[in-house]
Amino acid sequence: DAKTTQPTSMDCAEGRAANLPCNHSTISGNEYVYWYRQIHSQGPQYIIHGLKNNETNEMASLIITEDRKSSTLILPHATLRDTAVYYCIARRRGGADGLTFGKGTHLIIQP
Amino acid sequence: NAGVTQTPKFQVLKTGQSMTLQCAQDMNHNSMYWYRQDPGMGLRLIYYSASEGTTDKGEVPNGYNVSRLNKREFSLRLESAAPSQTSVYFCASIFSTGTSTDTQYFGPGTRLTVL
Repeated sequence: DAKTTQPTSMDCAEGRAANLPCNHSTISGNEYVYWYRQIHSQGPQYIIHGLKNNETNEMASLIITEDRKSSTLILPHATLRDTAVYYCIARRRGGADGLTFGKGTHLIIQP
Repeated sequence: NAGVTQTPKFQVLKTGQSMTLQCAQDMNHNSMYWYRQDPGMGLRLIYYSASEGTTDKGEVPNGYNVSRLNKREFSLRLESAAPSQTSVYFCASIFSTGTSTDTQYFGPGTRLTVL
């Protein structure tokens, strides 16, 4: 899996959009970008994934640059419950081996 | 539908003791995983089982053994616990095929302390 780089921590005001960046400059053509989050030492929770098109679901939006070397996870209206560590992971389609987690971004939503 | 369940939730061991962490999933997933997470770190893969009857080492397998008991259950055994194995252990599962983009589902974790 390609290496990903994320900022260590970020703050965001409650009700504002939280934009979490991720660099994956060595990503290969068959690797998807996945985002997970971990709230207060619970098990990680899947958020969203994409290959090259922008994706949106009920939790978030994922914007992937045209060259696929970076992406941004957007939480449109952050709440205090979105305070968590967010992990960006590059992973090939259909792989049965495990996920490679970095240290992620600790997102703190301020009231 | 309970998802991925793990037992026990907490455990304290003395150095040299043995124990088995249990994991079960009810989502008919074929692949299962064990990770550990040390303070301030991301998860690291210990072992995984791509399908019933197979197991493979991950990034940090030393000191552990696993058993894929059946399609639902995947256990992790510490034969002689060491303080370095103090960690939070997460089990995960996925329905994995050669072309799927399905995601891994994680259990709530087992917090293990080795004194």
